[in-house]
Amino acid sequence: DTEVTQTPKHLVMGMTNKKSLKCEQHMGHRAMYWYKQKAKKPPELMFVYSYEKLSINESVPSRFSPECPNSSLLNLHLHALQPEDSALYLCASSQITSGSHEQYFGPGTRLTVT
Amino acid sequence: AQSVTQLGSHVSVSEGALVLLRCNYSSSVPPYLFWYVQYPNQGLQLLLKYTTGATLVKGINGFEAEFKKSETSFHLTKPSAHMSDAAEYFCAVSDRGNFNKFYFGSGTKLNVKP
Repeated sequence: DTEVTQTPKHLVMGMTNKKSLKCEQHMGHRAMYWYKQKAKKPPELMFVYSYEKLSINESVPSRFSPECPNSSLLNLHLHALQPEDSALYLCASSQITSGSHEQYFGPGTRLTVT
Repeated sequence: AQSVTQLGSHVSVSEGALVLLRCNYSSSVPPYLFWYVQYPNQGLQLLLKYTTGATLVKGINGFEAEFKKSETSFHLTKPSAHMSDAAEYFCAVSDRGNFNKFYFGSGTKLNVKP
């Protein structure tokens, strides 16, 4: 099973709302990732968790707050977002082992900020 | 930091024709190399990867890619295009020292004409 699931599929939120995106994998992967993808652009890395610890933060604004409660789950908490944050948010997971670290992506959450 | 170049943001081929999508990377040390495909409103799906060993790698859906160190290239090919191959294709690389961080090319949209 190479499936990464993400909920919700679509999310519309106002600029004062607080919401969360969820990601889950059961492949035993110990690295998990959040990406942001704007239309017609490649994914942009936001955060990387390795062994449930934040290992990379690509200078993401604090209105995005990641959380990794356990090795299977990854959350992205959203607060006071801006309309320019509207995008497809992709979660991915991979093994930690070099050479076997291809990333498996979920279907994404389409976020619209109004 | 790595730089990944995909020549041709749009490629159009006829059904049954050869598909050739180009990818070049910048580092002097050969990185890990990947090709992903993305269908509209979906996540990225891994087509194939090169980590070490044989330089011609075969992937899913009849795609293959050849790593050429002297040309710092990893071009994706398929002998005969099918309508279902129409999608966005991304080349990605990761350094051997920091392999969890992927650098994506800007993408190539493949159109297949009947």
